[in-house]
Amino acid sequence: NAGVTQTPKFQVLKTGQSMTLQCAQDMNHEYMSWYRQDPGMGLRLIHYSVGAGITDQGEVPNGYNVSRSTTEDFPLRLLSAAPSQTSVYFCASSYSPGLAKNIQYFGAGTRLSVL
Amino acid sequence: AQSVTQLDSHVSVSEGTPVLLRCNYSSSYSPSLFWYVQHPNKGLQLLLKYTSAATLVKGINGFEAEFKKSETSFHLTKPSAHMSDAAEYFCVVSDQYGGSQGNLIFGKGTKLSVKP
Repeated sequence: NAGVTQTPKFQVLKTGQSMTLQCAQDMNHEYMSWYRQDPGMGLRLIHYSVGAGITDQGEVPNGYNVSRSTTEDFPLRLLSAAPSQTSVYFCASSYSPGLAKNIQYFGAGTRLSVL
Repeated sequence: AQSVTQLDSHVSVSEGTPVLLRCNYSSSYSPSLFWYVQHPNKGLQLLLKYTSAATLVKGINGFEAEFKKSETSFHLTKPSAHMSDAAEYFCVVSDQYGGSQGNLIFGKGTKLSVKP
């Protein structure tokens, strides 16, 4: 089973460039989310989605856009990359938030450097 | 608003000795609590979770955690450390009934080192 798949695994960008981080899950999960991980900061929520067509902002949404046209995919877009966006990005999914069985499954991460 | 505090950024133990990673939480509602582990350059793996059933929760690889409401704590323990336990550990809280949609709030992590 693939689970949560993130691509690419590594990416180097120049300041001002745009790119899309891909995230796909094959578990028919309603809830998907994006986190960034920075040293000493833990993981911080960027955006999340509770179903196709529905997205909302997390703790650190500035500089990022998302959309959810299908249940399976939840891409994260950087419209104009900045050095402050250098980080490791994780995508996660679960059946539904707010339930006792709310276990989120994480992808392997995308390591992004912005020069 | 919910939050979680991991009291130690780095813990070092010798192989075969007990492990204690400390976590305190703050939550307005009945929380779900989790411990995740991240090995170097890897993704996150769920160790265990608490969701208002038994207060002593057993997880994978011999880890367990005890939910103590009076102390708002959810410390992670293991009786005997193994070299393969060296990793970063995250305590995580999720409100089941709050307006946060059950989003996860991560602690800043505790790096566990295991000496031979």
